[in-house]
Amino acid sequence: QSVLTQPPSASGTPGQRVAISCSGSSSNIGSNTVNWYQQLPGTAPKLLMYSNNERPSGVPDRFSGSKSGTSASLAISGLQSEDEADYYCAAWDDSLNGWVFGGGTKLTVL
Amino acid sequence: EVQLLESGGGLVQPGASLRLSCAASGFAFSSYAMSWVRQAPGKGLEWVSTISGSGGSTSYSDSVKGRFTISRDNSKNTLHLQMNSLRVEDTAVYYCAKAYRSSWDHFDYWGQGTLVTVSS
Repeated sequence: QSVLTQPPSASGTPGQRVAISCSGSSSNIGSNTVNWYQQLPGTAPKLLMYSNNERPSGVPDRFSGSKSGTSASLAISGLQSEDEADYYCAAWDDSLNGWVFGGGTKLTVL
Repeated sequence: EVQLLESGGGLVQPGASLRLSCAASGFAFSSYAMSWVRQAPGKGLEWVSTISGSGGSTSYSDSVKGRFTISRDNSKNTLHLQMNSLRVEDTAVYYCAKAYRSSWDHFDYWGQGTLVTVSS
């Protein structure tokens, strides 16, 4: 059971907008920023979004992030086939003094 | 270019020990916190341990506390994970990850991982 809660799956057709939620608590998302990682099939995770809504260089602006209270969300607009991957949210947890991850959301582009 | 290359994985029996290494290049290694994150087959990511840039501060997940030890050799730009009393549930791909700055900053670079299999 992961500390952060994500839906196990999400899907959309090319061009659509999809959103992936991430729910936590006051000791993690409620008091620290949220990061998102993308893991393409058979590869290592890659930083997709940091500090709730900041995109690293090279990440398309189709990807956006937000946070409110103890929840966060990753949105992907103009869905493309290459976006098919697993997406993980993560945050530092002050009570555990360590990182906590969501269980991951498998995004399927139909 | 930042590069992280893990090594040391393999097949071991329950109760055995294993030492993972992560060779880093392309950045000022001693200035950045480093972490180990693992992924069991078909499962999600699980944080294992983090060490500060100087090595003076470490933290562990409850699942490995007392069994695993994280360390770093800043003279050799290398991160280590000493794993003792291994259990079947420790089977996973182990990734090393570089922090943006401090222990509580996001992981901006990841290695390709090394597979640890614990089985009798």
